[in-house]
Amino acid sequence: DGGITQSPKYLFRKEGQNVTLSCEQNLNHDAMYWYRQDPGQGLRLIYYSQIVNDFQKGDIAEGYSVSREKKESFPLTVTSAQKNPTAFYLCASSIFPPPGTGTSNQPQHFGDGTRLSIL
Amino acid sequence: SQQGEEDPQALSIQEGENATMNCSYKTSINNLQWYRQNSGRGLVHLILIRSNEREKHSGRLRVTLDTSKKSSSLLITASRAADTASYFCARSMDSNYQLIWGAGTKLIIKP
Repeated sequence: DGGITQSPKYLFRKEGQNVTLSCEQNLNHDAMYWYRQDPGQGLRLIYYSQIVNDFQKGDIAEGYSVSREKKESFPLTVTSAQKNPTAFYLCASSIFPPPGTGTSNQPQHFGDGTRLSIL
Repeated sequence: SQQGEEDPQALSIQEGENATMNCSYKTSINNLQWYRQNSGRGLVHLILIRSNEREKHSGRLRVTLDTSKKSSSLLITASRAADTASYFCARSMDSNYQLIWGAGTKLIIKP
């Protein structure tokens, strides 16, 4: 079955440490996204990528970094510069639509998230 | 804030009753999407409604869109315990590739 796999499910970060969250998809989607979800709130976009080797900052990119070396993979690094990293992190992907329609027109498919906490 | 506003924040109903959730927004949209999130899981896409559509159905789900009032509603008919989840609306605009998410409605179906 096609889908998005996020790992690990739970992650603990020590002070001053960088941690990397994995996101892999086998849906053959061009676009991938990273969101942060805090309790009782909606999703906030961290980074997104429409094609390999290209990515764009979202609303809350500070303290995070990404790479997109393969179509299937879009790992997120939470750096020590992110002072409040405790949250639920969700990865998503979508089809890259025909020209003129905009990526946001397409439904997004989500992984089951990684819950990051501070030690 | 660009976020949509959803109400109610929480809704608790008896199994078999209908549940209605609302989403309002402030700027024009290209489309509006509804998603479900079970506790501790990822989101699942339910319905996408375009700005030129007024109503869409999918099984027990009905979504309406009123662009003049800048609002949408999600109706779940004949609710079941398995419908217990948080429901989010997300809207897209012409000018960018991002979805703008509401804070969600937490729905509890009592047996």
